[in-house]
Amino acid sequence: QSVLTQPPSVSGAPGQRVTISCAGGSSNIGAGYDVHWYQHLPGTAPKLLIFGNSNRPSGVPDRFSGSKSGTSASLAITGLQAEDETDYYCQSYDSSLSGRVFGGGTKLTVL
Amino acid sequence: QVQLVESGGGVVQPGRSLRLSCAASGFSFSSYSIHWVRLAPGKGLDWVAVISYNGANKYYADSVRGRFTISRDNSKNTLYLEMNSLRADDTALYHCAREGTTLTTYAFDVWGQGTMVTVSS
Repeated sequence: QSVLTQPPSVSGAPGQRVTISCAGGSSNIGAGYDVHWYQHLPGTAPKLLIFGNSNRPSGVPDRFSGSKSGTSASLAITGLQAEDETDYYCQSYDSSLSGRVFGGGTKLTVL
Repeated sequence: QVQLVESGGGVVQPGRSLRLSCAASGFSFSSYSIHWVRLAPGKGLDWVAVISYNGANKYYADSVRGRFTISRDNSKNTLYLEMNSLRADDTALYHCAREGTTLTTYAFDVWGQGTMVTVSS
């Protein structure tokens, strides 16, 4: 059971927009800690996609965007492409656990 | 280029020990906190431990505290994870990850590809 809750899977057709939610609580996202998002193809190194809730590292397309409100955050992907089909994770800090926490991951399927 | 490369994984019996290494290159290793994060089969990413840039501060997930020890040798640009009393649920791909700076709000901005640990009799 992950501290941050993500939907196990989402799907969309090429060109469409999808969102992935990340629900937390008062000791992590709700406490004001930043949320980061990673893209991960199993067996490879995860890639930082969004940092500080809504910022993109250089090289990440502007099709990817992040937002945060209250005790939750979300990742939006517009103009879906086949190459976007992989796993996505949110991550934050939890003060009651005194450590970093991840969501359970969401598998994106491009139909 | 900026790189982290893990090694030391393998198959080990329950209750035994294993030491993982993470070799860094392409950046000033001694300036960054480094984490271990694992991915168990069929599960999500799971934070394991972190060590500060100078080794003075170490923090662990509840699931490994007292069994795992994180350390580093800045003269060798290498991070370690000493794993004792291994259990079947420690089976996972272990990644090391660099904690970024204020510029990236301390996100994990560089990751290694991981080394596989299998705990089985």
